[in-house]
Amino acid sequence: GESVGLHLPTLSVQEGDNSIINCAYSNSASDYFIWYKQESGKGPQFIIDIRSNMDKRQGQRVTVLLNKTVKHLSLQIAATQPGDSAVYFCAENTGGFKTIFGAGTRLFVKA
Amino acid sequence: DARVTQTPRHKVTEMGQEVTMRCQPILGHNTVFWYRQTMMQGLELLAYFRNRAPLDDSGMPKDRFSAEMPDATLATLKIQPSEPRDSAVYFCASGLITGSGNTEAFFGQGTRLTVV
Repeated sequence: GESVGLHLPTLSVQEGDNSIINCAYSNSASDYFIWYKQESGKGPQFIIDIRSNMDKRQGQRVTVLLNKTVKHLSLQIAATQPGDSAVYFCAENTGGFKTIFGAGTRLFVKA
Repeated sequence: DARVTQTPRHKVTEMGQEVTMRCQPILGHNTVFWYRQTMMQGLELLAYFRNRAPLDDSGMPKDRFSAEMPDATLATLKIQPSEPRDSAVYFCASGLITGSGNTEAFFGQGTRLTVV
């Protein structure tokens, strides 16, 4: 949608395939991480979160992996559907409950 | 269905005019965030409040922007005077922070501001 960047990294997947969206975070002191989905014309919507004392968390069709050693976060979407097409943001809590968003990745799902 | 409500959804104003954006956080949430989203900068945190007290507004241009929470059901973001570079979508989000840690933020639909 017009509310997000034109030059976002883009991932294009076939319907039914698995998607993996990656994110590098900046602050080694961050202790809470969230993935958000933003559809055109809407605000970001919570998908899944993970705390720094975990390295993996699963939800319905989604899995988040956290690698604190290299400050890397990934979101895996199983059996990707057309409704999953959106921009995905990772966000980190840097202390004091201040949430900072990454640049976002645009996911296109081809039917 | 609890949700964050923002008004107006769209605002077109002339440069130099005052703009006020309003947000009703989810009842019971104790933390409110204001974000700005542009094509070039993505989602930027402008300010956030906990229990109505401003905790951090370092992301906000101080000379023209101000954020307040007159009461627990209303947060406002004002721009005076507005400039064309303020054109963006402004999001309000609320969350519940407890002693056991932070939780996700719930976002409103945003206010699309165009300053001409």
